[in-house]
Amino acid sequence: GEDVEQSLFLSVREGDSSVINCTYTDSSSTYLYWYKQEPGAGLQLLTYIFSNMDMKQDQRLTVLLNKKDKHLSLRIADTQTGDSAIYFCAEGGGYNKLIFGAGTRLAVHP
Amino acid sequence: GAGVSQSPSNKVTEKGKDVELRCDPISGHTALYWYRQSLGQGLEFLIYFQGNSAPDKSGLPSDRFSAERTGGSVSTLTIQRTQQEDSAVYLCASSPEANRYEQYFGPGTRLTVT
Repeated sequence: GEDVEQSLFLSVREGDSSVINCTYTDSSSTYLYWYKQEPGAGLQLLTYIFSNMDMKQDQRLTVLLNKKDKHLSLRIADTQTGDSAIYFCAEGGGYNKLIFGAGTRLAVHP
Repeated sequence: GAGVSQSPSNKVTEKGKDVELRCDPISGHTALYWYRQSLGQGLEFLIYFQGNSAPDKSGLPSDRFSAERTGGSVSTLTIQRTQQEDSAVYLCASSPEANRYEQYFGPGTRLTVT
């Protein structure tokens, strides 16, 4: 069945790059997403990538997609304390439900 | 502009009572989704509405859960005879026709069943 997996925790030093990884199982997924959830807040759509793309860059964010291995990653350059949050990977497409991973908690320390 | 809004933000209810959770999508968005986020877990899809089409109810966990969307806008998720395992944050999202791959989420309703 459909499944999305992520590591649960990542700790980085302020100013370093963060890389959050995700694997998914549904090869028919049209889009892969990254959402950010800060404490007590809803989910914020950070970025998404179409399945026929390998990479998408948006300011400090770089998304890499390896469709063969069904592996998605989110790189945050120059990580700041404001980036501390839970990051959810999701797969889906069109008007369709999103399948979410359990989330990766990113902790940024001085 | 205004985002997705949900009410109430918090709801505490006794086991066995019915609850109604409300979602106001972004104006003009044609698709509306309900998800559930249990403690320490990812989001679980519940139900999806698209225009006047029949809703996709494939994620509803039991027949105690139902939802409706009136006039293609506001949606209400109803949980009958609540159980403690229903305790979770219930999130609503909506999508625009022009960018139907983007789902925008509301702040959620935290439901606690005692």
